[in-house]
Amino acid sequence: GAVVSQHPSRVICKSGTSVKIECRSLDFQATTMFWYRQFPKQSLMLMATSNEGSKATYEQGVEKDKFLINHASLTLSTLTVASAHPEDSSFYICSARQGAYDEQYFGPGTRLTVT
Amino acid sequence: GDSVTQMEGPVTLSEEAFLTINCTYTATGYPSLFWYVQYPGEGLQLLLKATKADDKGSNKGFEATYRKETTSFHLEKGSVQVSDSAVYFCALSERGSQGNLIFGKGTKLSVKP
Repeated sequence: GAVVSQHPSRVICKSGTSVKIECRSLDFQATTMFWYRQFPKQSLMLMATSNEGSKATYEQGVEKDKFLINHASLTLSTLTVASAHPEDSSFYICSARQGAYDEQYFGPGTRLTVT
Repeated sequence: GDSVTQMEGPVTLSEEAFLTINCTYTATGYPSLFWYVQYPGEGLQLLLKATKADDKGSNKGFEATYRKETTSFHLEKGSVQVSDSAVYFCALSERGSQGNLIFGKGTKLSVKP
């Protein structure tokens, strides 16, 4: 099946610094990528949807200036958490989809801890 | 808005036991329903899906039937294995594969030998 990778798998950073998380589709071209956030014992919450070459669409309540998403190529999307604070600590998961009718394939997630 | 509710875990079973994980949903339209599985250290994988009422999705011995009258999509397996230990997520999408996925909180299953 299709493979989506995320890097890093785990990151610890100090409050006030920015962190970049990469999401790559390894064996297919992803026209759409999704970013989710998961709190402990909670469901995955969609943060934003990005289409290659265009601006991301953010869900209500998600700060676009804090969570910067770039989808510059058909195989790579990045999520940058700007000026991270402890409340941004969470598990971030990306998924990728080749076409509008295709299944989403999920990455393994990135655990962000802000100290 | 749309939502998915699934039974809280963790669920611990012995090998070869029968598994049921309950899932109910709230939706304004006629959603597609999904079960995803997440094995330790891996991304979510689609386990099975159903796109309309009375459809039964099945895969790897797991089954779930789309019940519109009870707004449910319970996951079942007749005989679980240790390798089935994972977290299971129920999800819906209002526009099939095109729509955004709305997930339940996940149910962790541990199967003991």
